[in-house]
Amino acid sequence: GAGVSQTPSNKVTEKGKYVELRCDPISGHTALYWYRQSLGQGPEFLIYFQGTGAADDSGLPNDRFFAVRPEGSVSTLKIQRTERGDSAVYLCASSFGTGVTDTQYFGPGTRLTVL
Amino acid sequence: DAKTTQPNSMESNEEEPVHLPCNHSTISGTDYIHWYRQLPSQGPEYVIHGLTSNVNNRMASLAIAEDRKSSTLILHRATLRDAAVYYCILRRNSGGSNYKLTFGKGTLLTVNP
Repeated sequence: GAGVSQTPSNKVTEKGKYVELRCDPISGHTALYWYRQSLGQGPEFLIYFQGTGAADDSGLPNDRFFAVRPEGSVSTLKIQRTERGDSAVYLCASSFGTGVTDTQYFGPGTRLTVL
Repeated sequence: DAKTTQPNSMESNEEEPVHLPCNHSTISGTDYIHWYRQLPSQGPEYVIHGLTSNVNNRMASLAIAEDRKSSTLILHRATLRDAAVYYCILRRNSGGSNYKLTFGKGTLLTVNP
């Protein structure tokens, strides 16, 4: 079946610009997560959605980062006034439940490069 | 949160078994041990998880020490496709943020043909 998809796969932008990254979760998965992975590091948690609401946004680095999931399916991560330090791979994951044994299914990621 | 420690890298030959260690000496009684792996240019994928008993699935086996302070992921016959970064992650089964995966740097496994 279809897995988690993310678009675009690559995004190059200039410092100061606004970007949107899209995630299509697995159908029926109510939980959706965004992670960020810098070069040579493991992914770091950014935000978790349960349905339409952001249940935990404690990982967002600052107020330039914002994410929405208006209909409880597709999610968009928005970054304003991008900085070179925002360059990373942004990963989206979804899961059916949020129990300790629930598996998170990851998309291939969007590689963001800020020049 | 309890921390995990893994070797930075390991090397194996194709069709040989691979034992990937993970130390978690501060593990609590409600922490589950999960393993994910990340193939090149892909997102992480689930491998296996366990609490106290050893576990087997089609991908791998998980051996958990009796005191639970360490565990070993076992790939019975490594293939070139198993070359990846392997992450050992603890998930606490108690209220709060058990949905959050906390990744370390993992172990980079190289498989030689």
